[in-house]
Amino acid sequence: DGGITQSPKYLFRKEGQNVTLSCEQNLNHDAMYWYRQDPGQGLRLIYYSQIVNDFQKGDIAEGYSVSREKKESFPLTVTSAQKNPTAFYLCASSLGGTGAGELFFGEGSRLTVL
Amino acid sequence: GQQVMQIPQYQHVQEGEDFTTYCNSSTTLSNIQWYKQRPGGHPVFLIQLVKSGEVKKQKRLTFQFGEAKKNSSLHITATQTTDVGTYFCAGTGAGSYQLTFGKGTKLSVIP
Repeated sequence: DGGITQSPKYLFRKEGQNVTLSCEQNLNHDAMYWYRQDPGQGLRLIYYSQIVNDFQKGDIAEGYSVSREKKESFPLTVTSAQKNPTAFYLCASSLGGTGAGELFFGEGSRLTVL
Repeated sequence: GQQVMQIPQYQHVQEGEDFTTYCNSSTTLSNIQWYKQRPGGHPVFLIQLVKSGEVKKQKRLTFQFGEAKKNSSLHITATQTTDVGTYFCAGTGAGSYQLTFGKGTKLSVIP
């Protein structure tokens, strides 16, 4: 089955620790995205990548970092510089470039900072 | 920057009643997409509208894109308990490449 796999599904972190969320897709999509979702809020774009070895900041990139070394993989690191990291993180991909077509989402990773 | 406003934030309806959510953009959109997120789940794509004044139907769901391409609506006829979830609109600004999401409308259906 083609799709997007995010792991872990739940993650707990102590303040001051970095944590990396995994996102893998086997849809052969060029574009990949990371969104953050807070209760009662829409989805806010953290980073996106349209091709391998290239990525762009979204609206709320501060305190986050990404890499795109392979087409299939787009991991997100939540650094200790992120002041309020507790949230639901969603990875997505699309066949075309950003804003050009349907987004396919993973099941999400819920991060809680203790 | 581009803003996409969505109303209402919450809607409670009796099963069988109709439901509508509205989406308004501060700028002209090149396209608008709608997604549904079930409780505890992830957003799932419903539809994309591209043309001015476009209307598309999916069974009991009707989607409209305004003539000025700055607003859109989703109407559900005769809601069912399976319609429960949060409905998001997401628009791409004309000349932009970024998809901006509204905050969503959370629909509750009372059996």
